[in-house]
Amino acid sequence: GQQLNQSPQSMFIQEGEDVSMNCTSSSIFNTWLWYKQDPGEGPVLLIALYKAGELTSNGRLTAQFGTTRKDSFLNISASIPSDVGIYFCAGQDGGSNYKLTFGKGTLLTVNP
Amino acid sequence: EAGVAQSPRYKIIEKRQSVAFWCNPISGHATLYWYQQILGQGPKLLIQFQNNGVVDDSQLPKDRFSAERLKGVDSTLKIQPAKLEDSAVYLCASSLETASGGGYTFGSGTRLTVV
Repeated sequence: GQQLNQSPQSMFIQEGEDVSMNCTSSSIFNTWLWYKQDPGEGPVLLIALYKAGELTSNGRLTAQFGTTRKDSFLNISASIPSDVGIYFCAGQDGGSNYKLTFGKGTLLTVNP
Repeated sequence: EAGVAQSPRYKIIEKRQSVAFWCNPISGHATLYWYQQILGQGPKLLIQFQNNGVVDDSQLPKDRFSAERLKGVDSTLKIQPAKLEDSAVYLCASSLETASGGGYTFGSGTRLTVV
């Protein structure tokens, strides 16, 4: 089955720093999504990407859908303490009932 | 709008016991999903319903897991008998349309511990 490789597994940064994480797949996805999960909560959608090469921003977050359709990255600029959490990439394949395949997550810690 | 409601929030059971989880999706959402999230992993789809019909249950361990969505609204997920490796957070999600990946809304999940 499809697998997503998400890196890094964890990051420990200082407040104000920029952060970058990425996700690669062994196969093509039609849609890439980035979620954030806080402790004890379900994932919350941050950004959705629908087209190869697409670059989308949501406030301090920027994400890109790779041109090969097998990768995506997420950047967070000027990090703040509330950015702490686990970030997941997810790919959606239109040919498989649109189910989501998730990466293993990147744990982000921001030191004030 | 109200979010996806799940209960209970936490459950601790002994192995070989049975357990059931309940989910109430967002009103009007035709598609409902159950995901299993093991500690340190991303969520993995167990079963997907479209109204009260099963769309995908290819990753559901059917020898011990079952799920139903009567009347196309609420859903229950059952495990019988539970194994230690079933310890995980069980997330319910719903969306308006099957194709709407960006429109998924997840509940807060039920954390199951099997001892």
